Amino acid sequence: GENVEQHPSTLSVQEGDSAVIKCTYSDSASNYFPWYKQELGKRPQLIIDIRSNVGEKKDQRIAVTLNKTAKHFSLHITETQPEDSAVYFCAASEGPRTGNQFYFGTGTSLTVIP
Amino acid sequence: GAVVSQHPSWVICKSGTSVKIECRSLDFQATTMFWYRQFPKQSLMLMATSNEGSKATYEQGVEKDKFLINHASLTLSTLTVTSAHPEDSSFYICSARDPGTGDYEQYFGPGTRLTVT
Repeated sequence: GENVEQHPSTLSVQEGDSAVIKCTYSDSASNYFPWYKQELGKRPQLIIDIRSNVGEKKDQRIAVTLNKTAKHFSLHITETQPEDSAVYFCAASEGPRTGNQFYFGTGTSLTVIP
Repeated sequence: GAVVSQHPSWVICKSGTSVKIECRSLDFQATTMFWYRQFPKQSLMLMATSNEGSKATYEQGVEKDKFLINHASLTLSTLTVTSAHPEDSSFYICSARDPGTGDYEQYFGPGTRLTVT
Protein backbone atom coordinates (compact mmCIF):
# COMPACT_ATOMS: atom_id res chain seq x y z
CA GLY A 1 0.00 0.00 0.00
CA GLU A 2 0.89 3.67 -0.16
CA ASN A 3 3.20 5.14 2.48
CA VAL A 4 3.39 8.91 2.82
CA GLU A 5 6.05 10.58 4.93
CA GLN A 6 5.90 14.24 5.92
CA HIS A 7 8.50 16.61 7.34
CA PRO A 8 8.91 18.52 9.53
CA SER A 9 6.47 17.52 12.24
CA THR A 10 6.56 21.01 13.73
CA LEU A 11 7.50 24.32 12.16
CA SER A 12 7.67 27.80 13.64
CA VAL A 13 8.17 30.87 11.46
CA GLN A 14 8.02 34.58 11.95
CA GLU A 15 5.07 36.37 10.43
CA GLY A 16 5.89 37.32 6.85
CA ASP A 17 8.43 34.56 6.36
CA SER A 18 7.91 31.52 4.14
CA ALA A 19 7.08 28.00 5.27
CA VAL A 20 7.90 24.82 3.38
CA ILE A 21 6.54 21.35 4.15
CA LYS A 22 7.75 18.29 2.31
CA CYS A 23 6.19 14.90 1.62
CA THR A 24 7.38 11.73 -0.04
CA TYR A 25 5.27 8.84 -1.28
CA SER A 26 6.01 5.27 -2.21
CA ASP A 27 3.37 4.24 -4.76
CA SER A 28 4.37 5.28 -8.27
CA ALA A 29 0.73 4.87 -9.35
CA SER A 30 -0.36 7.78 -7.15
CA ASN A 31 -1.42 10.68 -9.33
CA TYR A 32 -3.28 13.09 -7.08
CA PHE A 33 -1.73 15.00 -4.20
CA PRO A 34 -3.93 17.26 -2.04
CA TRP A 35 -2.92 19.37 0.92
CA TYR A 36 -5.28 19.91 3.82
CA LYS A 37 -5.32 22.40 6.68
CA GLN A 38 -6.89 21.27 9.92
CA GLU A 39 -7.63 23.39 12.95
CA LEU A 40 -8.05 21.73 16.32
CA GLY A 41 -11.20 19.62 16.51
CA LYS A 42 -12.37 20.59 13.04
CA ARG A 43 -12.61 18.95 9.66
CA PRO A 44 -9.68 19.07 7.21
CA GLN A 45 -10.02 21.77 4.60
CA LEU A 46 -8.47 21.47 1.15
CA ILE A 47 -6.05 24.31 0.49
CA ILE A 48 -4.45 23.20 -2.76
CA ASP A 49 -4.02 20.06 -4.83
CA ILE A 50 -1.99 18.91 -7.78
CA ARG A 51 -2.29 16.13 -10.30
CA SER A 52 0.66 14.25 -11.68
CA ASN A 53 0.44 15.83 -15.11
CA VAL A 54 1.75 19.15 -13.79
CA GLY A 55 4.85 20.04 -11.82
CA GLU A 56 3.69 23.14 -10.01
CA LYS A 57 0.50 24.90 -9.04
CA LYS A 58 0.02 28.22 -7.33
CA ASP A 59 -2.90 29.92 -5.62
CA GLN A 60 -2.07 33.33 -4.20
CA ARG A 61 0.32 32.74 -1.26
CA ILE A 62 0.21 28.96 -1.55
CA ALA A 63 2.05 26.79 -4.04
CA VAL A 64 2.67 23.09 -4.45
CA THR A 65 5.48 21.46 -6.41
CA LEU A 66 5.65 17.85 -7.52
CA ASN A 67 8.61 15.75 -8.57
CA LYS A 68 7.24 12.47 -9.88
CA THR A 69 10.62 10.97 -10.54
CA ALA A 70 11.74 11.46 -6.98
CA LYS A 71 8.24 10.82 -5.60
CA HIS A 72 8.10 13.94 -3.52
CA PHE A 73 5.93 17.02 -3.34
CA SER A 74 6.10 20.18 -1.27
CA LEU A 75 3.82 22.90 0.05
CA HIS A 76 5.09 26.46 0.02
CA ILE A 77 3.37 29.23 1.96
CA THR A 78 4.73 32.73 1.44
CA GLU A 79 4.12 35.86 3.52
CA THR A 80 2.81 33.78 6.39
CA GLN A 81 0.16 35.22 8.69
CA PRO A 82 -0.90 34.17 12.20
CA GLU A 83 -4.11 32.70 10.78
CA ASP A 84 -1.98 30.23 8.82
CA SER A 85 -1.20 28.53 12.15
CA ALA A 86 -2.73 25.03 12.01
CA VAL A 87 -1.84 21.43 11.25
CA TYR A 88 -1.17 20.68 7.60
CA PHE A 89 -1.51 17.24 6.04
CA CYS A 90 -0.39 16.02 2.67
CA ALA A 91 -2.02 13.04 1.01
CA ALA A 92 -1.53 10.80 -1.99
CA SER A 93 -4.10 8.97 -4.06
CA GLU A 94 -4.32 6.87 -7.21
CA GLY A 95 -7.52 8.71 -8.03
CA PRO A 96 -11.03 7.44 -8.81
CA ARG A 97 -9.83 4.74 -11.20
CA THR A 98 -8.80 2.54 -8.27
CA GLY A 99 -11.17 3.84 -5.61
CA ASN A 100 -9.83 7.31 -4.76
CA GLN A 101 -8.48 6.29 -1.35
CA PHE A 102 -6.40 8.99 0.33
CA TYR A 103 -3.31 8.13 2.35
CA PHE A 104 -2.20 10.93 4.61
CA GLY A 105 1.16 12.07 5.85
CA THR A 106 1.83 12.43 9.54
CA GLY A 107 1.09 16.14 9.66
CA THR A 108 2.99 19.35 10.30
CA SER A 109 2.03 21.72 13.08
CA LEU A 110 2.74 25.21 11.79
CA THR A 111 3.00 28.14 14.17
CA VAL A 112 3.30 31.64 12.78
CA ILE A 113 4.73 34.00 15.38
CA PRO A 114 3.37 37.55 15.16
CA GLY B 1 -19.15 23.28 -2.64
CA ALA B 2 -20.27 19.82 -1.63
CA VAL B 3 -21.33 19.39 1.98
CA VAL B 4 -20.90 16.34 4.19
CA SER B 5 -22.45 16.10 7.63
CA GLN B 6 -21.91 13.72 10.51
CA HIS B 7 -24.05 12.83 13.46
CA PRO B 8 -23.50 12.90 16.35
CA SER B 9 -20.70 15.41 16.74
CA TRP B 10 -19.67 13.83 20.00
CA VAL B 11 -20.76 10.79 21.99
CA ILE B 12 -19.85 9.21 25.29
CA CYS B 13 -20.63 5.55 25.83
CA LYS B 14 -19.87 2.85 28.34
CA SER B 15 -17.41 0.10 27.63
CA GLY B 16 -19.08 -2.88 25.95
CA THR B 17 -21.84 -0.95 24.24
CA SER B 18 -22.16 -0.14 20.53
CA VAL B 19 -22.24 3.27 18.93
CA LYS B 20 -23.48 4.26 15.48
CA ILE B 21 -22.12 7.27 13.58
CA GLU B 22 -23.87 8.64 10.51
CA CYS B 23 -22.28 10.33 7.52
CA ARG B 24 -24.46 12.11 4.98
CA SER B 25 -23.76 13.86 1.72
CA LEU B 26 -26.21 16.75 1.73
CA ASP B 27 -26.16 18.09 -1.81
CA PHE B 28 -24.73 15.30 -3.92
CA GLN B 29 -24.93 11.55 -4.30
CA ALA B 30 -21.91 9.67 -3.10
CA THR B 31 -21.45 6.14 -4.37
CA THR B 32 -18.32 5.92 -2.26
CA MET B 33 -17.59 7.29 1.19
CA PHE B 34 -14.53 6.89 3.35
CA TRP B 35 -14.05 6.49 7.08
CA TYR B 36 -10.98 7.77 8.92
CA ARG B 37 -9.81 7.62 12.47
CA GLN B 38 -7.67 10.31 14.05
CA PHE B 39 -6.01 10.07 17.44
CA PRO B 40 -5.00 13.30 19.20
CA LYS B 41 -2.17 15.09 17.44
CA GLN B 42 -1.92 12.34 14.87
CA SER B 43 -2.76 11.85 11.26
CA LEU B 44 -5.94 10.66 9.59
CA MET B 45 -5.82 6.93 9.16
CA LEU B 46 -8.03 5.44 6.47
CA MET B 47 -10.14 2.70 8.01
CA ALA B 48 -12.38 1.63 5.18
CA THR B 49 -14.03 2.49 1.89
CA SER B 50 -17.80 2.38 2.00
CA ASN B 51 -19.49 1.40 -1.25
CA GLU B 52 -23.18 1.97 -1.82
CA GLY B 53 -25.03 -1.31 -2.15
CA SER B 54 -22.04 -3.53 -1.48
CA LYS B 55 -19.64 -4.53 1.25
CA ALA B 56 -17.10 -2.09 2.58
CA THR B 57 -13.43 -2.53 1.85
CA TYR B 58 -11.32 -2.41 4.99
CA GLU B 59 -7.71 -1.34 5.24
CA GLN B 60 -5.20 -3.82 6.55
CA GLY B 61 -5.32 -4.10 10.32
CA VAL B 62 -8.86 -2.75 10.73
CA GLU B 63 -11.26 -5.25 12.32
CA LYS B 64 -14.31 -5.45 10.10
CA ASP B 65 -16.38 -7.19 12.77
CA LYS B 66 -15.68 -4.39 15.20
CA PHE B 67 -16.22 -1.48 12.83
CA LEU B 68 -19.38 -2.27 10.90
CA ILE B 69 -20.03 -0.12 7.87
CA ASN B 70 -23.30 0.13 6.00
CA HIS B 71 -23.88 2.26 2.91
CA ALA B 72 -27.55 1.72 2.26
CA SER B 73 -28.21 4.77 0.13
CA LEU B 74 -26.37 7.20 -2.11
CA THR B 75 -26.35 9.83 0.64
CA LEU B 76 -25.82 7.87 3.85
CA SER B 77 -23.08 5.69 5.28
CA THR B 78 -22.98 4.50 8.87
CA LEU B 79 -20.12 3.30 11.04
CA THR B 80 -21.00 1.19 14.06
CA VAL B 81 -18.34 0.62 16.67
CA THR B 82 -19.35 -2.62 18.33
CA SER B 83 -18.45 -3.59 21.88
CA ALA B 84 -16.57 -0.36 22.31
CA HIS B 85 -13.56 -0.17 24.62
CA PRO B 86 -11.61 2.82 25.91
CA GLU B 87 -8.94 2.31 23.25
CA ASP B 88 -11.63 2.97 20.62
CA SER B 89 -11.91 6.52 21.89
CA SER B 90 -10.94 8.70 18.95
CA PHE B 91 -12.07 11.28 16.41
CA TYR B 92 -13.89 9.57 13.53
CA ILE B 93 -14.20 11.48 10.26
CA CYS B 94 -15.97 10.52 7.08
CA SER B 95 -15.48 11.90 3.60
CA ALA B 96 -16.98 11.60 0.15
CA ARG B 97 -16.16 12.51 -3.39
CA ASP B 98 -18.74 14.11 -5.65
CA PRO B 99 -18.66 11.92 -8.75
CA GLY B 100 -20.71 14.49 -10.62
CA THR B 101 -17.63 16.67 -10.93
CA GLY B 102 -14.35 15.83 -12.55
CA ASP B 103 -12.56 16.62 -9.30
CA TYR B 104 -10.68 14.12 -7.20
CA GLU B 105 -11.25 16.14 -4.04
CA GLN B 106 -12.82 14.48 -1.00
CA TYR B 107 -15.19 16.51 1.15
CA PHE B 108 -14.89 15.83 4.84
CA GLY B 109 -17.52 15.71 7.51
CA PRO B 110 -17.03 17.64 10.75
CA GLY B 111 -16.03 14.52 12.65
CA THR B 112 -17.43 12.63 15.62
CA ARG B 113 -15.55 12.52 18.89
CA LEU B 114 -16.12 9.18 20.60
CA THR B 115 -15.24 8.72 24.25
CA VAL B 116 -15.61 5.26 25.76
CA THR B 117 -15.63 5.14 29.55
